[in-house]
Amino acid sequence: ETGVTQSPTHLIKTRGQQVTLRCSSQSGHNTVSWYQQALGQGPQFIFQYYREEENGRGNFPPRFSGLQFPNYSSELNVNALELDDSALYLCASSFSGGTVGEQFFGPGTRLTVL
Amino acid sequence: RKEVEQDPGPFNVPEGATVAFNCTYSNSASQSFFWYRQDCRKEPKLLMSVYSSGNEDGRFTAQLNRASQYISLLIRDSKLSDSATYLCVVNSLTGFQKLVFGTGTRLLVSP
Repeated sequence: ETGVTQSPTHLIKTRGQQVTLRCSSQSGHNTVSWYQQALGQGPQFIFQYYREEENGRGNFPPRFSGLQFPNYSSELNVNALELDDSALYLCASSFSGGTVGEQFFGPGTRLTVL
Repeated sequence: RKEVEQDPGPFNVPEGATVAFNCTYSNSASQSFFWYRQDCRKEPKLLMSVYSSGNEDGRFTAQLNRASQYISLLIRDSKLSDSATYLCVVNSLTGFQKLVFGTGTRLLVSP
């Protein structure tokens, strides 16, 4: 196991609601990235946090936001949920300065929007 | 055009077969390349990095052709446990570690 944990495991919401997903990174890792994986697709980069600041963002609207805490854990918040937000949300931790590209993924949160 | 493209498969092979997956990437300045494995309803896990000189890890061999912007993964002597989706991944040059994933190639190994 990677040591990266995510909660909750599954979540069902309705359109227009808001959701918060949580991630605890692997010990010693200071960077957290979030990905969205729709069914049959590869993970798509949402954003990355390093030292509590967002230092990179993919092609996602502002209603996707996040936080990183001093202990390097992180939250992903999605407002005004849409049906297309239904996906597996993956958190990945890494160490800035470590092996480039080596990210360790958590088990994911499966979000269903009805 | 997608930044990383893969044949989604599925590739159906018998145990013991050799199977090869290919992937192309569009950003010629990309520098880091990887294969990740993802089991059904599980998270992706790093299988191996890909270097220009090629690299081998047991039954798995990865190759990179920078001139053609092409990455390959060869699996020899396929096992039932190799059944999974194989994701081709490129580290995008954005000043931070952003991974760009292909859609994945599904492999089914049958007895």
